[in-house]
Amino acid sequence: QKEVEQNSGPLSVPEGAIASLNCTYSDRGSQSFFWYRQYSGKSPELIMFIYSNGDKEDGRFTAQLNKASQYVSLLIRDSQPSDSATYLCAVNGGQAGTALIFGKGTTLSVSS
Amino acid sequence: KAGVTQTPRYLIKTRGQQVTLSCSPISGHRSVSWYQQTPGQGLQFLFEYFSETQRNKGNFPGRFSGRQFSNSRSEMNVSTLELGDSALYLCASSLVGTNYNEQFFGPGTRLTVL
Repeated sequence: QKEVEQNSGPLSVPEGAIASLNCTYSDRGSQSFFWYRQYSGKSPELIMFIYSNGDKEDGRFTAQLNKASQYVSLLIRDSQPSDSATYLCAVNGGQAGTALIFGKGTTLSVSS
Repeated sequence: KAGVTQTPRYLIKTRGQQVTLSCSPISGHRSVSWYQQTPGQGLQFLFEYFSETQRNKGNFPGRFSGRQFSNSRSEMNVSTLELGDSALYLCASSLVGTNYNEQFFGPGTRLTVL
């Protein structure tokens, strides 16, 4: 059973702080890793993807991947109240195609 | 570029009925995947279609089926509805459908089974 694990939270950080979201996965054959943000009542929105070990930065977001440890993380710098949402980690299933396995998500709350 | 569209946005059905949901992918995208989201189970993969062929299938009963048309639009069907089928059904499209393609979600169809 391929699994993706995330702490459900809530993770509470003050405005301007760094929020760190973590995810582990069970399938060593996984090749691509995605972070989605989902606001309450809305659909998931892709914010970052990473395929190679190391860091990938996009604005205030940094994704980090360590395939040896089967660990992927998302850092949000200068957190804003508008970042308050559920963050979903998704991993491709290792099959041909695009089947994604999702974690249950971490709820982030940024207080002003 | 228009995003992924799904219709209808909301549906209320009764047990035993069947339902058909529709998804139009982003223009040029050829892969369409369907997911079910519930509070208890989270987001779970249903199936993926690419070039009118089902390429992957998740662990759902045969009551859940789908198809894709030549214009890449996709439909999913749920027959003999059960209370547990109440969920947000999400469609996601991607450009080519390899392991590396990003998937973009539509707004979803909220299905309530009474």
